[in-house]
Amino acid sequence: NAGVTQTPKFQVLKTGQSMTLQCAQDMNHEYMSWYRQDPGMGLRLIHYSVGAGITDQGEVPNGYNVSRSTTEDFPLRLLSAAPSQTSVYFCASRVVVGNQPQHFGDGTRLSIL
Amino acid sequence: DQQVKQNSPSLSVQEGRISILNCDYTNSMFDYFLWYKKYPAEGPTFLISISSIKDKNEDGRFTVFLNKSAKHLSLHIVPSQPGDSAVYFCAASGSNDYKLSFGAGTTVTVRA
Repeated sequence: NAGVTQTPKFQVLKTGQSMTLQCAQDMNHEYMSWYRQDPGMGLRLIHYSVGAGITDQGEVPNGYNVSRSTTEDFPLRLLSAAPSQTSVYFCASRVVVGNQPQHFGDGTRLSIL
Repeated sequence: DQQVKQNSPSLSVQEGRISILNCDYTNSMFDYFLWYKKYPAEGPTFLISISSIKDKNEDGRFTVFLNKSAKHLSLHIVPSQPGDSAVYFCAASGSNDYKLSFGAGTTVTVRA
């Protein structure tokens, strides 16, 4: 049971570098989302998608891009990393029918120097 | 402006006693509430949920209570066990809205 898989688990970047955080789920969930977790602030929604080809912004979208070409994958792109993007990033997925919980991956810890 | 608030950053409880975690929300459109548990270096794991048509939901040692008029919910863990030591997040969403709003979390430590 893979569930939601995130790669890499850890990454260190220099300011201005770009990178893509990968997220894949094998549960055929329509809804996928990205959160960042910062101390004292809980999890904040960055971007989300309700199906392939459909994406929308969450609470803190600036500096991040997403795309959803397949049901399984939902990558998060940092085009020009900034120290303020140092955080732990979580990907989650759920079905869109009824009240159902989101299932989370184990996160990517990202440091921007 | 945070719509879900967990005002207690930490809670210490003796093994075998009750743990009570509290959560307040401000958005009256929220109608589905969840609690997640998180261990270090792992993702949040779903624990228990409640919809606004109920005021209580129980699952083993975990019970969630919802007071809609006060916009308040609580999680009771009875009895508390060492494996319950973790960060607990309260979350909420509205009707036909898949987005979750999270509280800042409460770190629970169960003492032997």
